[in-house]
Amino acid sequence: AQSVTQLGSHVSVSEGALVLLRCNYSSSVPPYLFWYVQYPNQGLQLLLKYTTGATLVKGINGFEAEFKKSETSFHLTKPSAHMSDAAEYFCAVNMNRDDKIIFGKGTRLHILP
Amino acid sequence: DTAVSQTPKYLVTQMGNDKSIKCEQNLGHDTMYWYKQDSKKFLKIMFSYNNKELIINETVPNRFSPKSPDKAHLNLHINSLELGDSAVYFCASSLPGTGVFFGPGTRLTVL
Repeated sequence: AQSVTQLGSHVSVSEGALVLLRCNYSSSVPPYLFWYVQYPNQGLQLLLKYTTGATLVKGINGFEAEFKKSETSFHLTKPSAHMSDAAEYFCAVNMNRDDKIIFGKGTRLHILP
Repeated sequence: DTAVSQTPKYLVTQMGNDKSIKCEQNLGHDTMYWYKQDSKKFLKIMFSYNNKELIINETVPNRFSPKSPDKAHLNLHINSLELGDSAVYFCASSLPGTGVFFGPGTRLTVL
């Protein structure tokens, strides 16, 4: 069965510091991988996705993620955190190219002034 | 605007009532979903429809009945509402490989 694990339900970083949110998946086939952001009282917005090709993908708001098959990881990074980045972030995986996309439990990102 | 829209945004009701949430997407996607997000922000897929055909039906009480009149609409009807049904319900749509595009959510509160 496909699954996705996000390490750390809460992550705090200082404004201007590096953001690193971790995501690992289990899969027997190459997956499609996604990161979503959810601001308070809003829906989920797609940040970036990996399907095929280049393993380093860039998304909106300066975020990027790298697909590492050997580590079964798809960690999300941003070089310099901004206060507006404070939100809930979800990693998601689709392994069978079917319609089922499974979400991790989410990581709440706190930005410290 | 191209988007996934759902109504109502907020729904407050008494236990035992029946309610519906409507969803529409104008993105031309073939697949539509209902997800439930609980108070701990955990997102769980409930149903998936592809071109009006039910594809995924997770372990959801049969009080929940989705209906897809056409591939741009997926409504959710809930009978005999219970306290535990309180959550945010998200409609979404996708094409293969595109990721899932979410509606703004419906916050359901059962009193």
